[in-house]
Amino acid sequence: DAKTTQPPSMDCAEGRAANLPCNHSTISGNEYVYWYRQIHSQGPQYIIHGLKNNETNEMASLIITEDRKSSTLILPHATLRDTAVYYCIVKESGGYQKVTFGIGTKLQVIP
Amino acid sequence: DVKVTQSSRYLVKRTGEKVFLECVQDMDHENMFWYRQDPGLGLRLIYFSYDVKMKEKGDIPEGYSVSREKKERFSLILESASTNQTSMYLCASSLVHSGNTIYFGEGSWLTVV
Repeated sequence: DAKTTQPPSMDCAEGRAANLPCNHSTISGNEYVYWYRQIHSQGPQYIIHGLKNNETNEMASLIITEDRKSSTLILPHATLRDTAVYYCIVKESGGYQKVTFGIGTKLQVIP
Repeated sequence: DVKVTQSSRYLVKRTGEKVFLECVQDMDHENMFWYRQDPGLGLRLIYFSYDVKMKEKGDIPEGYSVSREKKERFSLILESASTNQTSMYLCASSLVHSGNTIYFGEGSWLTVV
């Protein structure tokens, strides 16, 4: 079973920031938060991950709450090409492990 | 760049046929995974493997088996395909170390008729 909860769908206006929430209230101390996205008919692609500090890369920012029970993926200036399903997962650092994805959030960027 | 290659992008098979889905990764990853994806159900883990000849059941292993004879190759086998196994199948791989990222293939669309 997935260890995360995400809203099934969200809309965002083109050019605005898209803020995608994820709840992971049972996260353990050595689990990272990862975000992936899947554009229609393609395999999921890695976006960003973090342990407890906020992270930023060229694609997005990841904000993790201090208690680590939730996080938000921020796409600062959404474009139509960001329309995709976004998956939030939690995963232990290293080791041999089963990795489970949930249903994700379908983000629709609107012109 | 890491590359995970699934041998067939689209397949059509008949009920009862034995089906092999092949996956190869080129980055010496220890972990490999097979998922299936269906509308409204997200990605569901079928099997995963953390080493040659090692395998572990995922959430929905029934009707499937796997083979990992070489580190770079992970095969998903449908012993007797059924129509409810019509789906998109995704292979993935990752290293075993802190903060390891999972890399996915492009997917194989299987239709069982």
